[in-house]
Amino acid sequence: GAVVSQHPSRVICKSGTSVKIECRSLDFQATTMFWYRQFPKQSLMLMATSNEGSKATYEQGVEKDKFLINHASLTLSTLTVTSAHPEDSSFYICSARGTETYNEQFFGPGTRLTVL
Amino acid sequence: GEDVEQSLFLSVREGDSSVINCTYTDSSSTYLYWYKQEPGAGLQLLTYIFSNMDMKQDQRLTVLLNKKDKHLSLRIADTQTGDSAIYFCAEDSSYKLIFGSGTRLLVRP
Repeated sequence: GAVVSQHPSRVICKSGTSVKIECRSLDFQATTMFWYRQFPKQSLMLMATSNEGSKATYEQGVEKDKFLINHASLTLSTLTVTSAHPEDSSFYICSARGTETYNEQFFGPGTRLTVL
Repeated sequence: GEDVEQSLFLSVREGDSSVINCTYTDSSSTYLYWYKQEPGAGLQLLTYIFSNMDMKQDQRLTVLLNKKDKHLSLRIADTQTGDSAIYFCAEDSSYKLIFGSGTRLLVRP
C-alpha cells in the first residue's frame, strides 16, 4: 500500500523559534498533499491543501504567513511553523493523494509539536 | 454547512459486534470513508464506499449507506481488543475530506 512518512515524529521547541515538518510519499507520486491539525480528543481540522509546484490553498482562519507550506516535488511537502507559540502546540498530520488513487488519501503518522 | 456527526463513545465486549454511526451533510459527496486512529498515530484507511452503493463488505467490516437520510454506519464483526481505537467517518466535499468528531471504541475482555 501507499506509505507516507513524516519527520520528525516529535519536536519540542522554545517560543519564538520556527519548526519545519516534512511529509514524504515513499512509493507513489503525490500530486496533492494536505496538512491537518488535531487537538487532544478532537477531530482533524484541515489547514491547507497543496498541489505540487503551486501555492497552497489555506482554509479560512489559518494564517498563511505563520504556517508556511512548500510542495516543491511530487514526493515532498513541508510545513514550517514560524515564530511558534505555546498555542501552536498540537498534533500535525499530513496526507497525500496520488494520480492513480485520486479517491484515497494516505496519512502520515503525525508530528507532535510542543512549544515551551 | 459542512458537518459530520458521530457518537463519541462505544463500549463492547470482545467477540460482540460493534456498530459505529455517522451522519453527514453533503449530498454530493462521491465517497464516504472510515478511518481508524490508534493513540499517538496517524489515520489508517479502513474502507470506503462509493455513494451509489448501499453496502460494502470487507472481511469483518460492513459499511451501510443510507443516502436518503445521509447516514453511514460501520459494523465490526467479532470485535477484538486490537480494534480499540478512535474511528472517524469522513465525506469528500469539494475535493477535501471533512471528518466527524470520532467515536472512541473500547473493547472489554
